[in-house]
Amino acid sequence: GQNIDQPTEMTATEGAIVQINCTYQTSGFNGLFWYQQHAGEAPTFLSYNVLDGLEEKGRFSSFLSRSKGYSYLLLKELQMKDSASYLCAVMDSNYQLIWGAGTKLIIKP
Amino acid sequence: GAVVSQHPSRVICKSGTSVKIECRSLDFQATTMFWYRQFPKQSLMLMATSNEGSKATYEQGVEKDKFLINHASLTLSTLTVTSAHPEDSSFYICSARDPRGETEAFFGQGTRLTVV
Repeated sequence: GQNIDQPTEMTATEGAIVQINCTYQTSGFNGLFWYQQHAGEAPTFLSYNVLDGLEEKGRFSSFLSRSKGYSYLLLKELQMKDSASYLCAVMDSNYQLIWGAGTKLIIKP
Repeated sequence: GAVVSQHPSRVICKSGTSVKIECRSLDFQATTMFWYRQFPKQSLMLMATSNEGSKATYEQGVEKDKFLINHASLTLSTLTVTSAHPEDSSFYICSARDPRGETEAFFGQGTRLTVV
C-alpha cells in the first residue's frame, strides 16, 4: 500500500531551527510537496522537490532523497507565526497526491 | 499565481437539507479538480476527483449519491452534500492543478460546514 509517515507533533523555540521528517512508500513518484496549514484554514504551498537535493526558499528549505524515500522540511529562525501543521504529500504515478497526516509544530517563546 | 476560489467559506444548515459548495479556478482551466474533507486534527482525505465533462471518480467509502459532484465547465466544480446530517459537519476543501505544466496543487479557501 501507499504510506506517508511524519511525526505527529514537534515543539521548538522561537529563533531556533527545526527539521520535520517525512518518509514515504508510494506507487511511483512524481514529486514531493510540503504544505503549511494553520488551524481552520486551507493548506498553503511551501515547496516542491522532484530531484534529489536541497531546495532553499528563504527561511524554509526542503530536502529529498528518492532512493531512501525520505524528505525533510527545515525551518530556520522560527517565528511564532510558524506554529501550524506541516503536511507532506507525494504525487504518485497517477498524479494523485498522497497525504501524510501532518506534523503539528508548536513554537514556544 | 494561479488561484482557486471556494464558496461559501462557512455554512450552517439544518439536518436533512442540501448544501452546495462551489470551487472555481480563476486564471486557469482545470480539467480535473479534487475534493477533500478534513476532520479536526486530521489530514486531508480525498473524497473524489472531479473531471470536466464526465462523471466524478469517488474514493472507496464515499457515497456518490450523497456527495454529488458536477464539473460542468473548465473553471467550475460543485460539491452538493445532500440530506446533510450532523456527522457530515466537516471542513471541505477543493484543489486544482494548472495543466499548463505547473505541478503545484492550488487549494480553495475551504468550507466549514456545520449541520445542526
